Amino acid sequence: QSALTQPRSVSGSPGQSVTISCTGTSSDVGAYNYVSWYQQHPGKAPKLMMYDVFKRPSGVPDRFSGSKSGNTASLTISVLQSDDEADYYCCANGRGYNVFGTGTKVTVL
Amino acid sequence: EVQLLESGGGLVAPGGSLTLSCAASGFIFSNYAMIWVRQPPDEGLEWVSAVAASYGNTYYADSVRGRFTISKDNSRDTLYLQMNGLRAEDTAVYYCARILSSGAFDYWGQGTLVAVSS
Repeated sequence: QSALTQPRSVSGSPGQSVTISCTGTSSDVGAYNYVSWYQQHPGKAPKLMMYDVFKRPSGVPDRFSGSKSGNTASLTISVLQSDDEADYYCCANGRGYNVFGTGTKVTVL
Repeated sequence: EVQLLESGGGLVAPGGSLTLSCAASGFIFSNYAMIWVRQPPDEGLEWVSAVAASYGNTYYADSVRGRFTISKDNSRDTLYLQMNGLRAEDTAVYYCARILSSGAFDYWGQGTLVAVSS
């Protein structure tokens, strides 16, 4: 399976909102509501930010929200903060397979 | 507190073998499926292999199938990845992670670096 397509980079000023898209196919993103998102700061392990498209793990601020339409999932970060600057990866989770997105660097201007 | 601690990484020649370990603590290891995910230098994440909570069902990415073997010792709370026939393109930081029932990965280790080079 091919990697899911994400924009290489997005940016915004503190307090603004940014949205990261994650485009796959009807066989992965579009197949089930099992899309997750991970935040990765440089030199650190990834951190789960969203699962089952729109569910937030405990401790993740409600500034983070997820959605999906057809074969494209999205992660929105509202009220952008400096600590949100990181790489973000989507992932389609299936039984017996997983496919990650290409990754998006979020820059806080 | 859930903790995952990988070990076993290092420098290996092409064609060589290496076994990674992931020691788990802070949760009932036998209740969870587990996964290995890797990240080549300055590149994105790639799932490598996953194993069911028990009964041994295993899954592999096409890039490693036939060369890597995942296993889970529930008596030792440890996940393993046996890697044979290593190639330069296997060079990466390897992370182990716990899998939720929905398939997402909620806890990750700190990673261990595998470098394949002559």
